[in-house]
Amino acid sequence: DAGITQSPRHKVTETGTPVTLRCHQTENHRYMYWYRQDPGHGLRLIHYSYGVKDTDKGEVSDGYSVSRSKTEDFLLTLESATSSQTSVYFCATTTGRDTGELFFGEGSRLTVL
Amino acid sequence: SQQGEEDPQALSIQEGENATMNCSYKTSINNLQWYRQNSGRGLVHLILIRSNEREKHSGRLRVTLDTSKKSSSLLITASRAADTASYFCATDNQGGKLIFGQGTELSVKP
Repeated sequence: DAGITQSPRHKVTETGTPVTLRCHQTENHRYMYWYRQDPGHGLRLIHYSYGVKDTDKGEVSDGYSVSRSKTEDFLLTLESATSSQTSVYFCATTTGRDTGELFFGEGSRLTVL
Repeated sequence: SQQGEEDPQALSIQEGENATMNCSYKTSINNLQWYRQNSGRGLVHLILIRSNEREKHSGRLRVTLDTSKKSSSLLITASRAADTASYFCATDNQGGKLIFGQGTELSVKP
């Protein structure tokens, strides 16, 4: 258990509102990731971070931004939520660049009405 | 686009039977990993196999990798009801990122 906490775990919001999801880890892992999980699509990478203030885009980054000001926190922001962003969002971490085991949080279920 | 594709999408077996899931991918990889996800939970790492390995075991799990065919299989022997979950393969082909397939839903009936 890598001590990964996601908040909020559940959120319902309206189209056009900003939303921030937080991932907090206690293991001092260098790499952090945000995935979304949708039926029929599996998990898709949104953004990832390889260190404080170092982030990069994944395959479905449009409409999302991230920030990492501290090793332990990785924030995912939807500037203006849309219904297509209704999903379950997972944060994951790993220790090094040679990608080994990922440790996942329990997920954040977001519904955009 | 997805790198790994699992087959079958769903599998239903009886307790005690073996379960085999397959994963195909498109580009060269550094390693391939398998994860399990229980309903409503996060993913849990099961096993990692590197590109220079052909087979790996962990308890009741056996993973094979055929890089010439760009495919992997996960075998769960003597399945239990507690093995009911979704199983995902994931490939590391770009350093620092894992790309997941769509998963196989396994149902093990008592």
